[in-house]
Amino acid sequence: GNSVTQMEGPVTLSEEAFLTINCTYTATGYPSLFWYVQYPGEGLQLLLKATKADDKGSNKGFEATYRKETTSFHLEKGSVQVSDSAVYFCALIKAAGNKLTFGGGTRVLVKP
Amino acid sequence: EPEVTQTPSHQVTQMGQEVILRCVPISNHLYFYWYRQILGQKVEFLVSFYNNEISEKSEIFDDQFSVERPDGSNFTLKIRSTKLEDSAMYFCASRPGPYLNYGYTFGSGTRLTVV
Repeated sequence: GNSVTQMEGPVTLSEEAFLTINCTYTATGYPSLFWYVQYPGEGLQLLLKATKADDKGSNKGFEATYRKETTSFHLEKGSVQVSDSAVYFCALIKAAGNKLTFGGGTRVLVKP
Repeated sequence: EPEVTQTPSHQVTQMGQEVILRCVPISNHLYFYWYRQILGQKVEFLVSFYNNEISEKSEIFDDQFSVERPDGSNFTLKIRSTKLEDSAMYFCASRPGPYLNYGYTFGSGTRLTVV
């Protein structure tokens, strides 16, 4: 079946540091890939997405590239801020699918 | 920006009691979902709903669970006889259509605590 694996947290960084959160997936066919973010006390918000191989999703300084050869969709940000402290979820929808399959989430804490 | 609204934000219930979690999806959306997240674990799909019927459900969604869209605006999840292991954050989501470029909009969740 489909699955998403992402690095366990928490990840603790200083402000302006570089952030990488690894995500790999297992799926048949060509899924679409997503990163969702959950700020404290809030729901899940779509951060970025990519629907085919080599697509790069980007938003709010975050980027992730759909790598079919390595079945990965790693999230990166060059310079994090305290406001980026949140839980980040990698997810996929399989082709012609209807439901999101989530990774376990990675908590990121950015200190001033 | 349109929102998915969930009520209540936190509910405490006794084991064996029935509980109804409420959601108001975005008004022009046609596909509705419930997900749950047990503390410290993954967000898991429960059920999807389209055209007034369940379109897909997971193994978790057993006979204790039911969903309903009673009045064209609300979308509810009922747990008939709650168990301790039903304690989780429950998220409602909606989207306008089935295609992959139609993103999900999630609500802020209802934290259910079964005691």
